[in-house]
Amino acid sequence: GNSVTQMEGPVTLSEEAFLTINCTYTATGYPSLFWYVQYPGEGLQLLLKATKADDKGSNKGFEATYRKETTSFHLEKGSVQVSDSAVYFCALRYSSASKIIFGSGTRLSIRP
Amino acid sequence: EADIYQTPRYLVIGTGKKITLECSQTMGHDKMYWYQQDPGMELHLIHYSYGVNSTEKGDLSSESTVSRIRTEHFPLTLESARPSHTSQYLCASSEWDNARNEQYFGPGTRLTVT
Repeated sequence: GNSVTQMEGPVTLSEEAFLTINCTYTATGYPSLFWYVQYPGEGLQLLLKATKADDKGSNKGFEATYRKETTSFHLEKGSVQVSDSAVYFCALRYSSASKIIFGSGTRLSIRP
Repeated sequence: EADIYQTPRYLVIGTGKKITLECSQTMGHDKMYWYQQDPGMELHLIHYSYGVNSTEKGDLSSESTVSRIRTEHFPLTLESARPSHTSQYLCASSEWDNARNEQYFGPGTRLTVT
């Protein structure tokens, strides 16, 4: 079946460090891929998305590339800030009629 | 910016009470969803709707019920709250038309049953 596996947390980094949160997926066909972010006490917000192979989604300094050959959509940021502390969810959706499938979430904490 | 609202944001209630969590969106989306989020952060889909008068159970069994009488409104009801219902409840909506469309989330209701 369709599923998303993402890096377990928590991940703790110092400010200005390089961030990678791994995400791999299993899906039939060609799903769309998403990263959502949840700040403390809030709902989820879309961070970025990619709808076909080799697409790169980017927003707020975060990037992720849709890699069909490795079925991956890893989230990266070159220099993290304290304000990036949140929970990050990788997700996929494989047809217009389907629900979105979420990974289990990765908690990121950034030390000043 | 997403226009999806949930009330109340926080609710503390005693065992056995009936509660309704409200969710409304002003984007005209056909699809709406309810998720339960456990302390470990994982999201569990408990109900969804593809439009007016359509409701379906999600992946996680839940004692709650939902209704969809109007496009913009998707309330969730617990007839008799129990401590095991203590959780964060997130409502979401999306457009119907294609797989590229993301879900928009409300801010959530944090429910505590004592």
